[in-house]
Amino acid sequence: AQSVTQLDSQVPVFEEAPVELRCNYSSSVSVYLFWYVQYPNQGLQLLLKYLSGSTLVKGINGFEAEFNKSQTSFHLRKPSVHISDTAEYFCAVSRMEYGNKLVFGAGTILRVKS
Amino acid sequence: ETGVTQSPTHLIKTRGQQVTLRCSSQSGHNTVSWYQQALGQGPQFIFQYYREEENGRGNFPPRFSGLQFPNYSSELNVNALELDDSALYLCASSEDRGLSYNEQFFGPGTRLTVL
Repeated sequence: AQSVTQLDSQVPVFEEAPVELRCNYSSSVSVYLFWYVQYPNQGLQLLLKYLSGSTLVKGINGFEAEFNKSQTSFHLRKPSVHISDTAEYFCAVSRMEYGNKLVFGAGTILRVKS
Repeated sequence: ETGVTQSPTHLIKTRGQQVTLRCSSQSGHNTVSWYQQALGQGPQFIFQYYREEENGRGNFPPRFSGLQFPNYSSELNVNALELDDSALYLCASSEDRGLSYNEQFFGPGTRLTVL
């Protein structure tokens, strides 16, 4: 079975600073990788996904992530954060042969301070 | 285009009771998945329905059951509620039999509190 580890439960950062949210996964087979964002009292919104091809994936709101197969990582980055990026971020994987049934990490709360 | 909607928004029940949560999928989507998100945790997959048939189930006991209707809306039923069932229940819809690469669109969730 696959699992997802988000290495930081909370990440505080000042506005306009860069940020990296870390995600590692374990799976013996090929997977698809996703990052979702959850704003307070809302559902999950897809930020970006890696299916195949280029290991650098660009998403919405200026976020990007890099797939590293040898390190089984899929870290999320943004070069300059805004107050409005304050939210909880979830990394998730799905196994190619199991449809889009997602396995999520525990989440990382990004707190952007002014 | 209407997104995924869920009802009710909040619900309070007592141990041993039964609850039904409802989800309307996004227009054109024939697959619905349900997830349980306990406080401070990531969502956990409960089960998925495709064209009214169960299409995969996570590690949840049989007292968690579901239905999908011909219009692709869905229900999640939980019998014999336990305190640990308190969580945010998320519904997500997608198209094309839930192929791995298909995006799931999530509703806002139903917050269930079991006392």
